Amino acid sequence: GAVVSQHPSRVICKSGTSVKIECRSLDFQATTMFWYRQFPKKSLMLMATSNEGSKATYEQGVEKDKFLINHASLTLSTLTVTSAHPEDSSFYICSARTGEGYGYTFGSGTRLTVV
Amino acid sequence: DAKTTQPNSMESNEEEPVHLPCNHSTISGTDYIHWYRQLPSQGPEYVIHGLTSNVNNRMASLAIAEDRKSSTLILHRATLRDAAVYYCILRDLAGGSNYKLTFGKGTLLTVNP
Repeated sequence: GAVVSQHPSRVICKSGTSVKIECRSLDFQATTMFWYRQFPKKSLMLMATSNEGSKATYEQGVEKDKFLINHASLTLSTLTVTSAHPEDSSFYICSARTGEGYGYTFGSGTRLTVV
Repeated sequence: DAKTTQPNSMESNEEEPVHLPCNHSTISGTDYIHWYRQLPSQGPEYVIHGLTSNVNNRMASLAIAEDRKSSTLILHRATLRDAAVYYCILRDLAGGSNYKLTFGKGTLLTVNP
C-alpha cells in the first residue's frame, strides 16, 4: 500500500534553533500534502496544506513565517520550525491523499521537544 | 464542514465484536464517510471509507444508515492491537485533492484481555 515516510521520528533541539521535518511519498506522487500538529491527549490540528510547486495554504492562527513549508517535488514536502521555542514542542504529522477513491496516508509523526 | 459526533470512549473485550458509532446528521450528498485510527505515538492509519453502501475490508466493516445520518464501524473480533482512538471524518468529494481532513475528538477504544 501507499507509504508516507516521515523523518526524523524524534528530535530534541535548543530554543532558538530551527528544525526541519521531511515527509516523502514512497510509491505514489502527492501533489498535495497536509501538515498537522497534535498536543498530548488532544486531536490533530491541521496547520497547512502544501501544494507541489506553489505556496502553502496556512490555517488561521498558524504563523507562516515560523512554520515554513516547502513542497518542491511530487514526493517531498518539508516543514521547518524556525526559531523554535518550548511551546512549539509537539507531535507533528504529515499526510497525503493516495488517489481518488482511496483514503489518506499519514506519516508516523515527529516528536519535537524544544529545550 | 459537516461535523461528526462520536462517544468519547468505549470498552470492549478481546475477541468480541466492537461497534463504534458516528452521527453525522448534516452530511451532504457528496460527503464520503472516512474512518481512521491512531495508536499511541503514531500517525493515524486509514481504516475504511464509504459513500452510501456498506463496505468491508480486511480491517473492518462500515455500516451506513439508509439516510446516511449515521454510520457504524465494526471490528469483528477485537484484539489488543485494536486499542486506539478512532476518528470518523466526512470528506467532501467535491473538494478534490486539496480537501483537508478535519479531525474531531474521536472515540478512545479500550480492549480488555
